[in-house]
Amino acid sequence: GAGVSQSPSNKVTEKGKDVELRCDPISGHTALYWYRQSLGQGLEFLIYFQGNSAPDKSGLPSDRFSAERTGGSVSTLTIQRTQQEDSAVYLCASSLSPDKETQYFGPGTRLLVL
Amino acid sequence: GESVGLHLPTLSVQEGDNSIINCAYSNSASDYFIWYKQESGKGPQFIIDIRSNMDKRQGQRVTVLLNKTVKHLSLQIAATQPGDSAVYFCAEITPSGNTPLVFGKGTRLSVIA
Repeated sequence: GAGVSQSPSNKVTEKGKDVELRCDPISGHTALYWYRQSLGQGLEFLIYFQGNSAPDKSGLPSDRFSAERTGGSVSTLTIQRTQQEDSAVYLCASSLSPDKETQYFGPGTRLLVL
Repeated sequence: GESVGLHLPTLSVQEGDNSIINCAYSNSASDYFIWYKQESGKGPQFIIDIRSNMDKRQGQRVTVLLNKTVKHLSLQIAATQPGDSAVYFCAEITPSGNTPLVFGKGTRLSVIA
């Protein structure tokens, strides 16, 4: 079956530009998560969506980062005025329900800010 | 493909030997743990999970051991194969919610053929 998909797979941008990263979760999964993975580091939580509830934004590193989830399915992570330190792999995951369910990851978007 | 982590702890194992990857978790209240495998250029892939009411769980060629006393988790891979070469992460979830997984920094497993 189809897994979590993300686009683009790679993105190169100039410092100061805005970028949008897209995530398509597994069909029927109600929970969606965004993580960031910098080179040589583990995964850093960014934001979490569950159904129609207000998202948990506690992991967003600055107000330049925002995310939305339309119709309880597709999500977009937006980074405004990108900085070089934003360069990382951005990973999306989804889970069937919020109750201790395994999170399944997409392949990630590799962002490089020049 | 892209390196997932250039400065991670590395475990080198001969093909056919058993591998043991260790993880110390941070929160004594965590009650659900997952091991993920991440190959170069790919997202993390679920391997096996364990809940805090267990101390051992077995899958196909993999076993996870949980020691809550010392907050330690281990992943054992039997008869390690070249395809097992990857970075392995443990992750924990606290009872306060399902929310995000808290990941360890990862261990790179290198299988020597």
